Amino acid sequence: RKEVEQDPGPFNVPEGATVAFNCTYSNSASQSFFWYRQDCRKEPKLLMSVYSSGNEDGRFTAQLNRASQYISLLIRDSKLSDSATYLCVAGGTSYGKLTFGQGTILTVHP
Amino acid sequence: DAGITQSPRHKVTETGTPVTLRCHQTENHRYMYWYRQDPGHGLRLIHYSYGVKDTDKGEVSDGYSVSRSKTEDFLLTLESATSSQTSVYFCAISGRDGDTQYFGPGTRLTVL
Repeated sequence: RKEVEQDPGPFNVPEGATVAFNCTYSNSASQSFFWYRQDCRKEPKLLMSVYSSGNEDGRFTAQLNRASQYISLLIRDSKLSDSATYLCVAGGTSYGKLTFGQGTILTVHP
Repeated sequence: DAGITQSPRHKVTETGTPVTLRCHQTENHRYMYWYRQDPGHGLRLIHYSYGVKDTDKGEVSDGYSVSRSKTEDFLLTLESATSSQTSVYFCAISGRDGDTQYFGPGTRLTVL
């Protein structure tokens, strides 16, 4: 079983749609959680950190459920520019170790 | 953007040759990491460093070595490149253990 599992998609949605990504992690000792975004042939870039209380950044909302070891990302009012691969990340169990999911591909079309 | 550069950005080499990839940061961050990214596997940690001359293995360290003689530079060496090491290599930095990592632009390595 992979340490961090994501639905690889692809998700194809029209502009303006709301889309949700889910992710599960297997290591209950994980302490830090993130969503990264990766454009084609580019490096991963931090989208947002994920906190137990949930957090929102504009159109993006992240939630963490420690009991279920589940992380989610909600994107509202999708834009063409949101098309990318979204990586779920768990870490904090040992020296700098972040474990990445394989990513969920999102394509937003006109 | 975090001040991280990687060199070279692209390299084609032959099986059996040594290859060194360089990661340079201007952020004075303590932690530096080398990952490889392959289809179907996502990002996997090769080696990491938690200070000058302090390094340790990640999950896919076989066939790779690293060195860190200065805070700003972290070198990844393939002593004898194999075709299975064809990949995209990313360097990352972090100011604190387990904290957000910032990635360099990557190096595309092809081993023929």
